[in-house]
Amino acid sequence: NAGVMQNPRHLVRRRGQEARLRCSPMKGHSHVYWYRQLPEEGLKFMVYLQKENIIDESGMPKERFSAEFPKEGPSILRIQQVVRGDSAAYFCASSPTGAPEAFFGQGTRLTVV
Amino acid sequence: GENVEQHPSTLSVQEGDSAVIKCTYSDSASNYFPWYKQELGKRPQLIIDIRSNVGEKKDQRIAVTLNKTAKHFSLHITETQPEDSAVYFCAASTDNYQLIWGAGTKLIIKP
Repeated sequence: NAGVMQNPRHLVRRRGQEARLRCSPMKGHSHVYWYRQLPEEGLKFMVYLQKENIIDESGMPKERFSAEFPKEGPSILRIQQVVRGDSAAYFCASSPTGAPEAFFGQGTRLTVV
Repeated sequence: GENVEQHPSTLSVQEGDSAVIKCTYSDSASNYFPWYKQELGKRPQLIIDIRSNVGEKKDQRIAVTLNKTAKHFSLHITETQPEDSAVYFCAASTDNYQLIWGAGTKLIIKP
């Protein structure tokens, strides 16, 4: 079991570009969560998805951010027209049920220049 | 909504001594309290957790205590070692999935 896989590990984007972050959950896990971590801060919940469903997106900014978890393939966090303030580490976690005991991926560090 | 406060923000202890990190939460409905260790540039890793039906849980040098009345929980690390140096986060969950995180404590173990 390879664990939660995120790619890319590091992503550099210019202001105005799009960023696509991918997360492959652990085998057998159908629940995916995305968190954002700013430097020297704790993680902030963004969105909770199950296959083909967004369960809770209350932590996600209303504009420019979207997430999906299709029937096949990884979960995608998409940030359109990135701004400097989007620079952060984005962590994905998965669990076999909706329980909060989740396993984290290594994260994607997004830098907007 | 839930709010989790964590203290101290930085803790420096001599190797071999004990370290205690404290968190308070606001929502009495919270029922799950994990602690994560995060080394620089790495993912958070669950080190211990406790549910609201118990007051204390221990795993070798690490223990967590929970006071539901006062709405606070603490992480205790005994016989600290250099590899314990990291940022530690507490979190609380009021429902089945959403974790609310504290701001973190940077633990420094002095040789």
